[in-house]
Amino acid sequence: AQSVAQPEDQVNVAEGNPLTVKCTYSVSGNPYLFWYVQYPNRGLQFLLKYITGDNLVKGSYGFEAEFNKSQTSFHLKKPSALVSDSALYFCAVRPPNSGYALNFGKGTSLLVTP
Amino acid sequence: GAVVSQHPSWVICKSGTSVKIECRSLDFQATTMFWYRQFPKQSLMLMATSNEGSKATYEQGVEKDKFLINHASLTLSTLTVTSAHPEDSSFYICSATRAAGSNQPQHFGDGTRLSIL
Repeated sequence: AQSVAQPEDQVNVAEGNPLTVKCTYSVSGNPYLFWYVQYPNRGLQFLLKYITGDNLVKGSYGFEAEFNKSQTSFHLKKPSALVSDSALYFCAVRPPNSGYALNFGKGTSLLVTP
Repeated sequence: GAVVSQHPSWVICKSGTSVKIECRSLDFQATTMFWYRQFPKQSLMLMATSNEGSKATYEQGVEKDKFLINHASLTLSTLTVTSAHPEDSSFYICSATRAAGSNQPQHFGDGTRLSIL
């Protein structure tokens, strides 16, 4: 069963506007949550993670994500988008007691227009 | 830190050829490495988990005789696609995680684009 969902295939936003890329999860317990970004023909780059503690997690390149346990969500946000943020974004979850394996969402393509 | 190097980045070869892809952790020791396959505009599909000094654990539906994995050291894992055919054409990505703690992120290589003619 799918344990992480990214409901949007694509998100379009104008440069300078705030952006949100959505992610919800469906595992029991307290999972570890991650966001990665992928540029064309490249591997994935780690952006940020939530393990425990503050629900708002700050990561690389000005990105942040908010963990919401009641809504089982971990949406990625940035206050002011850049054209260079255009890429494919993956949310991933590592269920508790699952070792190191990650379950990835299907990805969301972010397009930031000038 | 936490750099993972994957080589080669692009391979084009004839059907029936075996292709070896290397994944190296350059500045950390990785007891566990992962091999993924990604189809165009799709997510990553975990193929196998590679543990140093032991046999790899393959995901359901992945042919272990087709995709040979060797993890002989703490910094190197290899994936060999044996007798490759056009349907094996894909983007293959490796990742590695530091030895301690499942709360550590996986660090990814830049992937290998495999095209079988």
